[in-house]
Amino acid sequence: DAGVIQSPRHEVTEMGQEVTLRCKPISGHNSLFWYRQTMMRGLELLIYFNNNVPIDDSGMPEDRFSAKMPNASFSTLKIQPSEPRDSAVYFCASSASGTPVVFFGEGSRLTVL
Amino acid sequence: KQEVTQIPAALSVPEGENLVLNCSFTDSAIYNLQWFRQDPGKGLTSLLLIQSSQREQTSGRLNASLDKSSGRSTLYIAASQPGDSATYLCAVRPEDSNYQLIWGAGTKLIIKP
Repeated sequence: DAGVIQSPRHEVTEMGQEVTLRCKPISGHNSLFWYRQTMMRGLELLIYFNNNVPIDDSGMPEDRFSAKMPNASFSTLKIQPSEPRDSAVYFCASSASGTPVVFFGEGSRLTVL
Repeated sequence: KQEVTQIPAALSVPEGENLVLNCSFTDSAIYNLQWFRQDPGKGLTSLLLIQSSQREQTSGRLNASLDKSSGRSTLYIAASQPGDSATYLCAVRPEDSNYQLIWGAGTKLIIKP
C-alpha cells in the first residue's frame, strides 16, 4: 500500500485566497484525522471522521475551516479565506477499526503571505 | 486536563552511545502510550505502542517503558546511529477516548558521526 497520500506537499498563497488540501487514506482504514502542526502549538487535532462521518470537529479553529469526506478514499480540508496565522503543516492520518496505530501522510506545508 | 511533557527539547550525542528520551504525563488514566518518529519535512511514523497494562515494548534497538502510576515513559535507544537523528514524540490516549491523542512537543535528537 502507498500509505496516506496528501496533496499538495507545499502551498504558498496570499491572504484571502481559498486553500484546499487533499487526502487519500490507506485503503480499508475507516478512521481519518486532520492535524495541524506549528512550532508554537505542536500537533493539534482539527477533525476526526469515522466511516466518512465527522465525529469530532471541536479542533477546527473557526468557520473559515471546513472538512469533508465524500467517500472512504478521499477527504479535503478547506480554508476560506486564508490568513497568515494559518501557516502550518497540515497532516492527514488514518487508522483501521480496532487498531490503535495511526498512519500519517507526509503533510502539506501551507504558507499564507 | 491531560498534559504531556518531553524533556529535553533537544539532545545531541556521539554515535554509538545508548540514550534515553523521557515523556511524562499528568493523568494516569490512559489507554495507551505511543512513541513516534518525525524526520524533517516528513510525517510521523509510529515506533512503539504500549498498552496501559504493559510495562514495556521492544523493537530492534528501541525499548519503550511505561510507569503509569508515576506518569512516565522512556524510550531507550541502544547503540545510536546517525540515522536515528529525528524528532521523537510521545502521545497518550486517554481512557475515555477511542481516538484522541494528547501529544508532547517532542525531543529533537542529533546523533553526531
